Amino acid sequence: EVQLVESGGGLVQPGGSLRLSCAASGFSFSNYWMSWVRQAPGKGLEWVANIKQDGSEKYYVDSVKGRFTISRDNAKKSLYLQMNSLRAEDTAVYYCAREERAAEGMPFDYWGQGTLVTVSS
Amino acid sequence: DIQMTQSRSSLSASVGDRVTITCRASQSISNYLNWYQQKPGQAPKLLIYAASSLQSGVPSRFSGSGSGTDFTLTISSLQPEDFATYYCQQSYGTLTFGPGTKVDIK
Repeated sequence: EVQLVESGGGLVQPGGSLRLSCAASGFSFSNYWMSWVRQAPGKGLEWVANIKQDGSEKYYVDSVKGRFTISRDNAKKSLYLQMNSLRAEDTAVYYCAREERAAEGMPFDYWGQGTLVTVSS
Repeated sequence: DIQMTQSRSSLSASVGDRVTITCRASQSISNYLNWYQQKPGQAPKLLIYAASSLQSGVPSRFSGSGSGTDFTLTISSLQPEDFATYYCQQSYGTLTFGPGTKVDIK
């Protein structure tokens, strides 16, 4: 069974940092692109960043470029999101999601349960 | 970036109704369009990928159609468990989601 379990969320002051983790199991993690998707309270979904299987390619939404860094450790079957210079508008539930690039449409076929990040003084 | 719009932010329907949700892309995205269902407090769930392919395990009352810029998600006979918010998402360019359409009880 595919499982994605996020951790690391919490309350942080504006300008602060936080590192999110996503532990993967039930599939060959090193074979998949992985993404972070966030959802502000009461709002829609926003893709944040993704990373290629070997970590050689990384892409970000414009609003987090230069502040967030996505990374992975295939040996530990883990995905990470280092978030620096956090702003109030980064407050959201952050989901880890698997990209199924072998399928047409390249959908997010599995999602974690999410971890809440709150940026507030 | 490619912008995704959904014509209705919400709609009210009854159990057994046929429900259609539309999504439009700001430029042609071929069939790089996916649909997700999200219930309160839960992660999104993939329903349809590549505009019209049904994800494994998803009931056949869900179907998708369209290509280019205009897409439709149809629920043929709405069931109580289908009251939720539905998002389209394009994967042709930088990944973006539509704003969502909430289906609630009439």
